[in-house]
Amino acid sequence: AQSVTQLDSHVSVSEGTPVLLRCNYSSSYSPSLFWYVQHPNKGLQLLLKYTSAATLVKGINGFEAEFKKSETSFHLTKPSAHMSDAAEYFCVVSHSGGGADGLTFGKGTHLIIQP
Amino acid sequence: KAGVTQTPRYLIKTRGQQVTLSCSPISGHRSVSWYQQTPGQGLQFLFEYFSETQRNKGNFPGRFSGRQFSNSRSEMNVSTLELGDSALYLCASSLVYPWSTGELFFGEGSRLTVL
Repeated sequence: AQSVTQLDSHVSVSEGTPVLLRCNYSSSYSPSLFWYVQHPNKGLQLLLKYTSAATLVKGINGFEAEFKKSETSFHLTKPSAHMSDAAEYFCVVSHSGGGADGLTFGKGTHLIIQP
Repeated sequence: KAGVTQTPRYLIKTRGQQVTLSCSPISGHRSVSWYQQTPGQGLQFLFEYFSETQRNKGNFPGRFSGRQFSNSRSEMNVSTLELGDSALYLCASSLVYPWSTGELFFGEGSRLTVL
């Protein structure tokens, strides 16, 4: 069985300051891990993915995430927040070889950017 | 390249009615999956289709059904609507199945309100 826990339901940061969204996972398999972003009334967009290559993954819009097997974590970071980053972020784990039924979505973290 | 298109974007139904939602995947994508998103339960997998065949089904009652056509377009149907079916229904497409190391492309969703 696999699971994913997003440790914060809401994160508030000031524009220009760093962003940290935390995600822990558990998986019996070698997992693939993803971060998706959802802006209001929009679908989900892939930010980045980890598929057992480099542990530090760079994504779009300046986001990156580091896979730490020993800590079973896949935290999302960005050095400097922008107002356009305000959105819902989902950490997703997928076991190897699976289809959509093999996906487990986190509950989401709502990122608020203060001007 | 056009993205995933879902219609209608918004709809209001009353209890007991039925509804059909449509999803047109990105051109060339053959796998389509459906998700229900609610504030309480988050994102939950409904079903996945590839080559007109349902490959996986989530833990939803039989009132929820779907199909995929030869052009990869997909529809989902919910019969005998209940208040709890109010949700954002998201469709996603991918190039291949299984796709665990690939990317899902999401539509903007169909927001269903059941009164």
